[in-house]
Amino acid sequence: ETGVTQSPTHLIKTRGQQVTLRCSSQSGHNTVSWYQQALGQGPQFIFQYYREEENGRGNFPPRFSGLQFPNYSSELNVNALELDDSALYLCASSRQESGNTIYFGEGSWLTVV
Amino acid sequence: EDQVTQSPEALRLQEGESSSLNCSYTVSGLRGLFWYRQDPGKGPEFLFTLYSAGEEKEKERLKATLTKKESFLHITAPKPEDSATYLCAVLYNFNKFYFGSGTKLNVKP
Repeated sequence: ETGVTQSPTHLIKTRGQQVTLRCSSQSGHNTVSWYQQALGQGPQFIFQYYREEENGRGNFPPRFSGLQFPNYSSELNVNALELDDSALYLCASSRQESGNTIYFGEGSWLTVV
Repeated sequence: EDQVTQSPEALRLQEGESSSLNCSYTVSGLRGLFWYRQDPGKGPEFLFTLYSAGEEKEKERLKATLTKKESFLHITAPKPEDSATYLCAVLYNFNKFYFGSGTKLNVKP
């Protein structure tokens, strides 16, 4: 158990809708990253938040956005859902000052129909 | 283009049959190489971090090694409970991890 919790665990959305995924980071961790993992692939970096600001972004369009709150929890928002957005969305937390190892939650499975 | 390649894609072993998984990378400015284990439907579980060529880390039946361009995960006398997908990731630019596609290991009793 990493102490990183994500919700919801599974959800189904219709193309064009919007979705919000939530993550609570491990106690003592101040940095949150989000990853997308398609079936049979490795996780792909979406973005990272540190001190409530975006601190790096991968090759994802602006309809993928996020927030980090003062308690270091985070949200991932995806607008105008497309079928290809169907994937496992992983949240990972770390402590910026204690090295770079990231610890993952169990993920949120998103299916877009 | 920066890349992380893992081989083989899938590996079937008999219980007790030792083998190695490979992770090669072309990322410049490597700041760490990480190994994770992922069980079906679960998030990746952290195993090891390696920072410099020549470094080795061990945990139970697993041993990770690092050279300038690749890393190996050696599995000694594996058991069925070692069956999982093993992911390699390189840390680039302080905050961006590049993951390989993983090696799916199946250990038969």
